[in-house]
Amino acid sequence: QKEVEQNSGPLSVPEGAIASLNCTYSDRGSQSFFWYRQYSGKSPELIMFIYSNGDKEDGRFTAQLNKASQYVSLLIRDSQPSDSATYLCAVNEPGGSYIPTFGRGTSLIVHP
Amino acid sequence: DGGITQSPKYLFRKEGQNVTLSCEQNLNHDAMYWYRQDPGQGLRLIYYSQIVNDFQKGDIAEGYSVSREKKESFPLTVTSAQKNPTAFYLCASRSAGTEKLFFGSGTQLSVL
Repeated sequence: QKEVEQNSGPLSVPEGAIASLNCTYSDRGSQSFFWYRQYSGKSPELIMFIYSNGDKEDGRFTAQLNKASQYVSLLIRDSQPSDSATYLCAVNEPGGSYIPTFGRGTSLIVHP
Repeated sequence: DGGITQSPKYLFRKEGQNVTLSCEQNLNHDAMYWYRQDPGQGLRLIYYSQIVNDFQKGDIAEGYSVSREKKESFPLTVTSAQKNPTAFYLCASRSAGTEKLFFGSGTQLSVL
């Protein structure tokens, strides 16, 4: 059974700080990793994806991947109250079937 | 405007009743998915379809049924065999050759 683990939180950070969200996965063959943001009562939206070891930056967001440790993280710099949401980590099965497995999500609260 | 439309937004089911959740997309996407989300939980896959007239069970298909007679439509029926149907149901679609999922706005199903 493939698993994607996240700390449910909540993770509380002050405005302007760096929020660090973490995710581990069980299938060593996984190739594609995604971060979705979900506001309360709304549907998830994709904010970052990463395929290769290392860092990928997009604006205030940085995704980090370490396949040897089976670990993917999301850093949010200069956190804003509007970043308060649940962040879902998703991992695609290897082999190109495009069937993502989602973690339970980490709730982030950015307080002024 | 292109997108995924789920209806209704809220749905109530009586004991022993089957109910159908609608999902329509005009993005010309080949693949469609149904996920269930319980409070504080991640998304669990119910069914998915990669092409018209074909679909596969996900991790929690028992008590649910789907059809894919048209590319644009992927309705989900929650049958009376599903004893704990209260949840937030999300439909998603994906274009062939890409890995990004686009989500509808969701249907909240509750039991009367």
